[in-house]
Amino acid sequence: DSGVTQTPKHLITATGQRVTLRCSPRSGDLSVYWYQQSLDQGLQFLIQYYNGEERAKGNILERFSAQQFPDLHSELNLSSLELGDSALYFCASTTSGGAGEKLFFGSGTQLSVL
Amino acid sequence: GQQVMQIPQYQHVQEGEDFTTYCNSSTTLSNIQWYKQRPGGHPVFLIQLVKSGEVKKQKRLTFQFGEAKKNSSLHITATQTTDVGTYFCAAPGGANNLFFGTGTRLTVIP
Repeated sequence: DSGVTQTPKHLITATGQRVTLRCSPRSGDLSVYWYQQSLDQGLQFLIQYYNGEERAKGNILERFSAQQFPDLHSELNLSSLELGDSALYFCASTTSGGAGEKLFFGSGTQLSVL
Repeated sequence: GQQVMQIPQYQHVQEGEDFTTYCNSSTTLSNIQWYKQRPGGHPVFLIQLVKSGEVKKQKRLTFQFGEAKKNSSLHITATQTTDVGTYFCAAPGGANNLFFGTGTRLTVIP
């Protein structure tokens, strides 16, 4: 158990809908990362937050947004969903989000867009 | 952003055979990390390499960082069925994020 909690584990929805994925980092970790993993694909970096502030942005679509709350949990919002958004979404946390820190991953949320 | 290329994409080996995956970057890396993702699981940190030419071992796993800090390798000696999974290298990009390689999916045939 990495200490990172992601909910829900599975999500099935329809095209055009909006969903929210939730992540609680390890106790004491201030930084949260979001990654997308499509079938047989690698891990695509989406966005990083540190102590409530956006720190880095990767290949995140405009239809996607995220935030980190004062209690340090984070939410990834996906809107106007398309079939291609079906993927495994991982959240990971680190102490301070600095270069070289190892990431602790949650178990992921499997999103299926039908 | 940072790009790390990883080869091969897939590797099937007989149990007991060795396995190697390679990670290459066009730019010098400050450090490189390796992760393992079991089927149906999440990535788990294995190791970090920082120094030029560094070699680290974890039981049957040997990790190397190139002299120019542009490439790295993971070698598994005498694979076992428990080694099955996808192995990723990961390198820092700008602004403290971490970019993952494409991964090598290892299948071990009993």
